[in-house]
Amino acid sequence: AQSVAQPEDQVNVAEGNPLTVKCTYSVSGNPYLFWYVQYPNRGLQFLLKYITGDNLVKGSYGFEAEFNKSQTSFHLKKPSALVSDSALYFCAVRDRGNYGQNFVFGPGTRLSVLP
Amino acid sequence: SAVISQKPSRDICQRGTSLTIQCQVDSQVTMMFWYRQQPGQSLTLIATANQGSEATYESGFVIDKFPISRPNLTFSTLTVSNMSPEDSSIYLCSAADMGAREAFFGQGTRLTVV
Repeated sequence: AQSVAQPEDQVNVAEGNPLTVKCTYSVSGNPYLFWYVQYPNRGLQFLLKYITGDNLVKGSYGFEAEFNKSQTSFHLKKPSALVSDSALYFCAVRDRGNYGQNFVFGPGTRLSVLP
Repeated sequence: SAVISQKPSRDICQRGTSLTIQCQVDSQVTMMFWYRQQPGQSLTLIATANQGSEATYESGFVIDKFPISRPNLTFSTLTVSNMSPEDSSIYLCSAADMGAREAFFGQGTRLTVV
């Protein structure tokens, strides 16, 4: 069975500082990995994905994530945080070998960027 | 990317009544999903909407309570039947295409049952 862990409920960072939101996953086969962001009263917005190839993937709004197979991690990063980055972030996994498999979402991490 | 329109965006309903939520995608997609989310919490998958056949429900969700239709590759509805206050939640429609791999989401429907 697939699962996703986001070990931090809340991450606080000062504006201009680098941010990291952690994600670890478990999947029987090879994974597709995703990050989504949710602003208040909105649906989830897709940020980036890892499918194959380069372990460092770049996405929207200056975010990037690094796939680490040995640590089964896919941490989200940004070199310089903005107050507008404050939101709820979800990591998700999908089993690459099973297109019919659903997406599994982590519990979410609330990011607060302090001015 | 797919653009998903979901309506209504919010509603307040009396217990015992039913609400149908509509989800329209601007392109044909392979898979459509319905999720429930408590504010600030993670997503719980209700079911996968299958085009032309019965939806596939997750454990804890049944067709009588959450009937789903998907008449074509761009449209689906979720009905929350015989509502109780425990059904108060955010309901999200999602669509995914095998080629793109990622899923896209509607804006959500915030349901309050009184």
